[in-house]
Amino acid sequence: DGGITQSPKYLFRKEGQNVTLSCEQNLNHDAMYWYRQDPGQGLRLIYYSQIVNDFQKGDIAEGYSVSREKKESFPLTVTSAQKNPTAFYLCASSSNPGTGGLYEQYFGPGTRLTVT
Amino acid sequence: GQQVMQIPQYQHVQEGEDFTTYCNSSTTLSNIQWYKQRPGGHPVFLIQLVKSGEVKKQKRLTFQFGEAKKNSSLHITATQTTDVGTYFCAGPQTGTASKLTFGTGTRLQVTL
Repeated sequence: DGGITQSPKYLFRKEGQNVTLSCEQNLNHDAMYWYRQDPGQGLRLIYYSQIVNDFQKGDIAEGYSVSREKKESFPLTVTSAQKNPTAFYLCASSSNPGTGGLYEQYFGPGTRLTVT
Repeated sequence: GQQVMQIPQYQHVQEGEDFTTYCNSSTTLSNIQWYKQRPGGHPVFLIQLVKSGEVKKQKRLTFQFGEAKKNSSLHITATQTTDVGTYFCAGPQTGTASKLTFGTGTRLQVTL
């Protein structure tokens, strides 16, 4: 059963702690993305990666870090430097546009992070 | 930077009524995608439009890409309660095909 998994679904942390959100895909996609969604808002891009061992900052990268050591995995760390970390975090993957086909993004179920 | 706005922000209709959401980009887009997010869920890809003036239909949903490739619309005929959710348009960020800018979204509520 192909898809994207994110864990956990809900995560609670105390202020000042770093927390890592998991994202795994078995779609054999090269590109992976992390978005943040606040209540009633659209999606804002945090980081993206087009290939293993390479990633770029999105529009709101401050206070976040990522790694891409394996094609299947793209974990996101929310650091204590992120001022307002409470949000819904969505991971997505897609084929790279260079392949010439559709590159719609497939989303995981998301992780709701609450920091108090 | 590139902005993608959608109107209305929210619409509440009676089941059976039609619904339209409009998407406007500050820049010309090479293509536009539409996604649907059910309450509490994650966005799901609906369709991609590429050509100027393109119109595509999926059952009761009609998608249109403007002639200038800066705007798009999604029209739902005879809404059903299963249409409830937030509809997002998304276009490639200027200068790259790898990053999408998502619109602000339109939340649709359908009641019996």
